[in-house]
Amino acid sequence: DGGITQSPKYLFRKEGQNVTLSCEQNLNHDAMYWYRQDPGQGLRLIYYSQIVNDFQKGDIAEGYSVSREKKESFPLTVTSAQKNPTAFYLCASNPGLAGGRDTQYFGPGTRLTVL
Amino acid sequence: AQKITQTQPGMFVQEKEAVTLDCTYDTSDPSYGLFWYKQPSSGEMIFLIYQGSYDQQNATEGRYSLNFQKARKSANLVISASQLGDSAMYFCAMRGLLSGNTPLVFGKGTRLSVIA
Repeated sequence: DGGITQSPKYLFRKEGQNVTLSCEQNLNHDAMYWYRQDPGQGLRLIYYSQIVNDFQKGDIAEGYSVSREKKESFPLTVTSAQKNPTAFYLCASNPGLAGGRDTQYFGPGTRLTVL
Repeated sequence: AQKITQTQPGMFVQEKEAVTLDCTYDTSDPSYGLFWYKQPSSGEMIFLIYQGSYDQQNATEGRYSLNFQKARKSANLVISASQLGDSAMYFCAMRGLLSGNTPLVFGKGTRLSVIA
């Protein structure tokens, strides 16, 4: 089955530790995105990548880092510099073929809690 | 830059009734796309419907339709014959169509509760 997988579903980390969230897609999509969602809030963009080996900061990139070494993978690292990392993290992708009309497909999300 | 405003934090609707979820937007792009997503309590984001700014007709997908009023910059989602399974968060989003794979910009969402 084609889709986007995120692991783990729940993640707990101690304050001061870096943690990496996985995002993998087998849809052959060019573009991938990371969003953060806080309770009762919409989705805010962290980073996005339109092509392999290239990525851009979103609105709330401070304290996060990404890499895009392979088309199917776009891991997100939450560093100790991120002051309030407890949130729900969603990864998404889209084909990039229809000039912006493409639907963005989402993974199931990772809920990160800092203890 | 784009901005999406959803002014209804929460809505209630009786089962089998229709409900309208409001969405207004602001953009300087001459060509743009508008999207609606549903987010159940599980957290997954489910695509519902798409409207292009130059589409001649309002989009429809089953029980979902989009009331697109370009001059008023509104793209309201209409759900007909509400079902208990429609209870969820609903997000309106948009992107400019001239710039390819740019990320969607989302509103803060509306929580819909369907009452039996």
